[in-house]
Amino acid sequence: GESVGLHLPTLSVQEGDNSIINCAYSNSASDYFIWYKQESGKGPQFIIDIRSNMDKRQGQRVTVLLNKTVKHLSLQIAATQPGDSAVYFCAEIYSGSQGNLIFGKGTKLSVKP
Amino acid sequence: KAGVTQTPRYLIKTRGQQVTLSCSPISGHRSVSWYQQTPGQGLQFLFEYFSETQRNKGNFPGRFSGRQFSNSRSEMNVSTLELGDSALYLCASSTHSYGYTFGSGTRLTVV
Repeated sequence: GESVGLHLPTLSVQEGDNSIINCAYSNSASDYFIWYKQESGKGPQFIIDIRSNMDKRQGQRVTVLLNKTVKHLSLQIAATQPGDSAVYFCAEIYSGSQGNLIFGKGTKLSVKP
Repeated sequence: KAGVTQTPRYLIKTRGQQVTLSCSPISGHRSVSWYQQTPGQGLQFLFEYFSETQRNKGNFPGRFSGRQFSNSRSEMNVSTLELGDSALYLCASSTHSYGYTFGSGTRLTVV
């Protein structure tokens, strides 16, 4: 994708397996977190979000877990499909920062058919 | 419901020139944020506008500026382009500081 850097972590999984993508966030004051998926040539696409007063949130085939104690966020994708292949970013923001999403470096997910 | 629209999709400019990029947010969204994405630095916040006012600004030089119109459409301008300004420029719109939706971006190449 557009965001691939030289040292982008890569996760390779078999189609049908579950995927777990991890993210360490930086600001203990952040109160809103978003996972985005970015495919080549496209902008980041919203997957799921979670607020700091929650530990877990589920969507369709995706689950986000938030551990505020260690400032850790994870995205779980169930029954991973080839169409899930992309770069995944976590983003954090605190309510006073007005639009300033802080993005992680991203993880490239590769799904083998 | 139309998404966030960015124009143009691609631009090639020469060093020293200036460029203006446009972003039309989702209808009803009054907040527009701009980001620069490069392979080396990832996604970095440029600035955010709400109701025609810049509320927040990232750590970019003054060559990067923006504005927002009364219909919430936003433009960003980069003057005196440098080779290092080559990047994907993304805008995102939101309602009340949550649920940021991104456009497809403008790919700027400076030669």
